[in-house]
Amino acid sequence: ETVLTQSPATLSLSPGERATLSCRASQSVSRYLAWYQHKPGQALRLLIYDASKRATGIPARFSGSGSGTEFTLTISSLEPEDFAVYYCQQRGNWPPITFGQGTRLDIK
Amino acid sequence: EVQLLESGGGLVQPGGSLRLSCAASGFTFSKYSMTWVRQSPGKGLEWVSGITGTGLSTYYADSVKGRFTISRDNSKNTLFLQMNSLRVEDTAEYRCAREKDENSDYFSCYYDSWGQGTLVTVSS
Repeated sequence: ETVLTQSPATLSLSPGERATLSCRASQSVSRYLAWYQHKPGQALRLLIYDASKRATGIPARFSGSGSGTEFTLTISSLEPEDFAVYYCQQRGNWPPITFGQGTRLDIK
Repeated sequence: EVQLLESGGGLVQPGGSLRLSCAASGFTFSKYSMTWVRQSPGKGLEWVSGITGTGLSTYYADSVKGRFTISRDNSKNTLFLQMNSLRVEDTAEYRCAREKDENSDYFSCYYDSWGQGTLVTVSS
């Protein structure tokens, strides 16, 4: 099973700042990695797939990069609605599909 | 608008059974593979099972293999998860999700629509 480790566990930033979230895989997943946003009481939202492709309707301030075992989600300038929990997910070595444990992005 | 609405959760004793449903609308259900993902209280996301649009292919996490069965009724636009021999560690919110790509015989394994979830509590 491919374990995904996200860092940091919590990130405290202010609106307008740049956010950098990391996801490390225990073995190569090529570029088969996605990022999701989750707000309390809401459904998960697909942001990025195949490491760097933005999903439909996702603002350009969200970008993804990486391949193999190291991946990054960058939010270029935080908006108030961006404060949420973010999960990475791999499909490079499945089954099983695996998720990271999440990074909580808090307002500073 | 794509909508996924789970139901069937509740309190059950260890060893018991539950059947979860996920009612889908707003898209051609039979053309999409679907999945179940769960989240235990205070913990991360765990993939449980997936099924192709045709229903011909299914996959399970090792933690539920032999106890859970995923199925679908394309005539009723509904996804199911039959859960038997439930354990305390199966306690979680269970969410159904639709794959991003329209392909009834293939798993793309990225999920662009999610339900809000139904809570399953296994306790004596």
